[in-house]
Amino acid sequence: TQLLEQSPQFLSIQEGENLTVYCNSSSVFSSLQWYRQEPGEGPVLLVTVVTGGEVKKLKRLTFQFGDARKDSSLHITAAQPGDTGLYLCAGAKTGSARQLTFGSGTQLTVLP
Amino acid sequence: NAGVTQTPKFRILKIGQSMTLQCTQDMNHNYMYWYRQDPGMGLKLIYYSVGAGITDKGEVPNGYNVSRSTTEDFPLRLELAAPSQTSVYFCASSYGGQGAYEQYFGPGTRLTVT
Repeated sequence: TQLLEQSPQFLSIQEGENLTVYCNSSSVFSSLQWYRQEPGEGPVLLVTVVTGGEVKKLKRLTFQFGDARKDSSLHITAAQPGDTGLYLCAGAKTGSARQLTFGSGTQLTVLP
Repeated sequence: NAGVTQTPKFRILKIGQSMTLQCTQDMNHNYMYWYRQDPGMGLKLIYYSVGAGITDKGEVPNGYNVSRSTTEDFPLRLELAAPSQTSVYFCASSYGGQGAYEQYFGPGTRLTVT
């Protein structure tokens, strides 16, 4: 089983602050995804990164895939209360029947 | 499109009872998955299917069974419910094409076994 470690596990910040959450593994992944999950709902895909060193931006969210494709980070600029949720990273390995290995998540709370 | 739908949304079972969690997708996706999510934990894969008639075990299959008779439906069966199966269950689907690993999730079923 490939493990994906996410840090921090919990993060509480004030509106307007910046933050970074991390997703690390000793395994190489062919792609890595970030999902956001709100209470009482299923996870929703935010982004997929495929190439080592790739950086993708989604408005105030910046995602980076490590050069060795073992780790990833999510940076949020000027966080808003609407960013509150559980952020999950998930890695895919080639030939794995499209199975994803999920991290344990980072619970983000943005206070107004 | 409704996407992925799950029923019921909540259920309380007594130890030893059985039930089926329903999952339907209308996106014509080949791949379907069942996960469980425990507090403070990520998603653990229970079973998955790469197409009608084909299923396989995931990371935590014990105590569960699945079937996939159609592309749209992927029910999860609990035969003898145990307190350890108290969890939130998510069904997901994926197109399964080249590089298309993105999964689309249903809203979940919150199951309590007492």
